Amino acid sequence: GAGVSQSPSNKVTEKGKDVELRCDPISGHTALYWYRQSLGQGLEFLIYFQGNSAPDKSGLPSDRFSAERTGGSVSTLTIQRTQQEDSAVYLCASKQTSLVLQGGNEQFFGPGTRLTVL
Amino acid sequence: KNQVEQSPQSLIILEGKNCTLQCNYTVSPFSNLRWYKQDTGRGPVSLTIMTFSENTKSNGRYTATLDADTKQSSLHITASQLSDSASYICVVSAIEWGGGNKLTFGTGTQLKVEL
Repeated sequence: GAGVSQSPSNKVTEKGKDVELRCDPISGHTALYWYRQSLGQGLEFLIYFQGNSAPDKSGLPSDRFSAERTGGSVSTLTIQRTQQEDSAVYLCASKQTSLVLQGGNEQFFGPGTRLTVL
Repeated sequence: KNQVEQSPQSLIILEGKNCTLQCNYTVSPFSNLRWYKQDTGRGPVSLTIMTFSENTKSNGRYTATLDADTKQSSLHITASQLSDSASYICVVSAIEWGGGNKLTFGTGTQLKVEL
């Protein structure tokens, strides 16, 4: 595909249920990022993948949150035992490369998954 | 702590008018600053990127400025159109060895352009 895709676009779940969010990055992009965007707040970094490994998962808010990436491509973000405060838009972004001092490389964002926990 | 603050929080202007959005940051060591446009229900899309040595950069009707001394940036929109209605997010990147490129996001300015 031409851009980053995410699924589902919307997810409504009941408190306590587990949810799985999917991100398909741009083909060939080695770096992948997950962010959370709550209403009225800036994007909050969750986790960063370089290939299949996650050198920085410092933004995951609790051990209910986990993410994996397989084949250097698709990534899934799993939230276990969802809480109402987990309601937000979850954005995924990918970047072509992640070399030293390559901060200029643009992160391309997907459309996000809007999660609502009732 | 790295922070990015934007003002105003929201703005309503008439179609055809100009507007300027502000961004102040405390991110160190500074690598670059991007302005993103985020339409409702979409992911952010980069409008401009500015590095330490750049003062002004234009992209069509969008002009970004950067003052690295005062750590301020602005985004000027000329001859606004209804399609400019969106959230504009200032994003600052710190130099980070290993290429992690963790970004600091502002909370955005919500712009609405009306007839």
